[in-house]
Amino acid sequence: EVQLLESGGGLVQPGGSLRLSCGASGFIFRNYAMSWVRQAPGKGLEWVSVISASGANTYYADSVKGRFTISRDNSRNTLSLQMNSLRVEDTAIFYCTKISRVPAADFDYWGQGTLVTVSS
Amino acid sequence: QSALTQPASVSGSPGQSITISCTGTSSDVGGYNYVSWYQQYPGKAPKLMIYDVTNRPSGVPDRFSGSKSGNSASLTISGLQAEDEADYYCSSFTSSNQYAFGTGTKVTVL
Repeated sequence: EVQLLESGGGLVQPGGSLRLSCGASGFIFRNYAMSWVRQAPGKGLEWVSVISASGANTYYADSVKGRFTISRDNSRNTLSLQMNSLRVEDTAIFYCTKISRVPAADFDYWGQGTLVTVSS
Repeated sequence: QSALTQPASVSGSPGQSITISCTGTSSDVGGYNYVSWYQQYPGKAPKLMIYDVTNRPSGVPDRFSGSKSGNSASLTISGLQAEDEADYYCSSFTSSNQYAFGTGTKVTVL
């Protein structure tokens, strides 16, 4: 059974940093691209970033480019998102997702999400 | 990247069919057959319902179907059931090697 378990969310002040992690199990992690998708409270889904299976290629939404960094450790089946210079508008539930095939937009498995709150 | 455009809400009676539209541009929906649809219940993570415009993952009822014409895609739910009441989002790969989600549609079963 595929499982994605996010951690690392919490309350942070504007301008601060936070690192999210996602532990994966139930599939061959190193074979699949992974992505982060977020959802502000009461709002819609927003794609954040994607990383290729090997980790060699990464892409970001314009809203987070230069502030967020996605990475992965295929030896530990872990996906990470380093978030710097956080803004109030970054407040959201962050979901870790598995992508079935690239570049197809089929995020076939989702974690339960971790809440990031940016507030003073 | 801009969000794809969906109607804010769609409603229908049990047994009826409803269609949700998803409008983008030639740089996303119109340029690739990589459109997917997601169902989300309140407080839950989204679930993949349709991928590659028309394909259903294993376990998704066949009353859910997808299509595309030009820069717009659609999700049709036939034989609407009470359990279909949820939020629905489309998504597409884009020419910038990014992904775009739709604005979301709340489906209400009357």
